[in-house]
Amino acid sequence: QKEVEQDPGPLSVPEGAIVSLNCTYSNSAFQYFMWYRQYSRKGPELLMYTYSSGNKEDGRFTAQVDKSSKYISLFIRDSQPSDSATYLCAMKGDSWGKLQFGAGTQVVVTP
Amino acid sequence: DTAVSQTPKYLVTQMGNDKSIKCEQNLGHDTMYWYKQDSKKFLKIMFSYNNKELIINETVPNRFSPKSPDKAHLNLHINSLELGDSAVYFCASSQDRHSNEQFFGPGTRLTVL
Repeated sequence: QKEVEQDPGPLSVPEGAIVSLNCTYSNSAFQYFMWYRQYSRKGPELLMYTYSSGNKEDGRFTAQVDKSSKYISLFIRDSQPSDSATYLCAMKGDSWGKLQFGAGTQVVVTP
Repeated sequence: DTAVSQTPKYLVTQMGNDKSIKCEQNLGHDTMYWYKQDSKKFLKIMFSYNNKELIINETVPNRFSPKSPDKAHLNLHINSLELGDSAVYFCASSQDRHSNEQFFGPGTRLTVL
C-alpha cells in the first residue's frame, strides 16, 4: 500500500462546476501538504501549500487538511477549461524531508 | 528565460546503452532533485543535492548516478539501460532544502527499446 493514495480519475466536469479532489495518507508524521498542477507534457507546478490542519484559500482554490482523518482536499470553484490538468497531492513530515506524491487525478473541464 | 531546463527533451535508445540527462537552473537555488514519473503518473524522488552535496539517495539501482558539478547543475547518468527505465525524468530545484515549493523542469521522456 502506498503512503499517499489518490484516485487517478479521470474526473470530468462541466465548465463552472466545483471540482473536488482528495488524497488519503497513512503516515501520521506528515505535516506539510501541497497540491501541484501538471499540464500534459509539462512539469508539475505548485498550486497550494498548507501546514498542519486547517483551510487555505487562494482565489478559486481552497485546500483543506484533516490530520485526524489523514485526508486532504482541493476544491476548484467556477472551473474553467484551462483547469484541465492532472492534480497531484504531495506531503512531507519535516521541512527538510522528501516529498511523497500521490499518483495524481486527471481533471477534464468541458466547455 | 527558462527557470529549470533539461536536455534532451526526448531520448530513445536501445537496452544496454549508457545515457545522460542534463539539468540546469538559473534561479540561484541551493537544492536540486531528480524524480522519475512512471506511466501511471506516479512521481517518485530519486536523488537530491544541496549545494553540490548528496542529501537524498533513494533506493534506486546503482546504474543511476547523479552528478552535481556546481549548485546550478545536476546531471543524471544511467548505465546499462533496461526496459523498465522507460519513464519521464524530471529535474526540480528549490530555494533550499526546507522550501515547500519545488520548481520542475519540462521533463525528459526516456524510451528504452
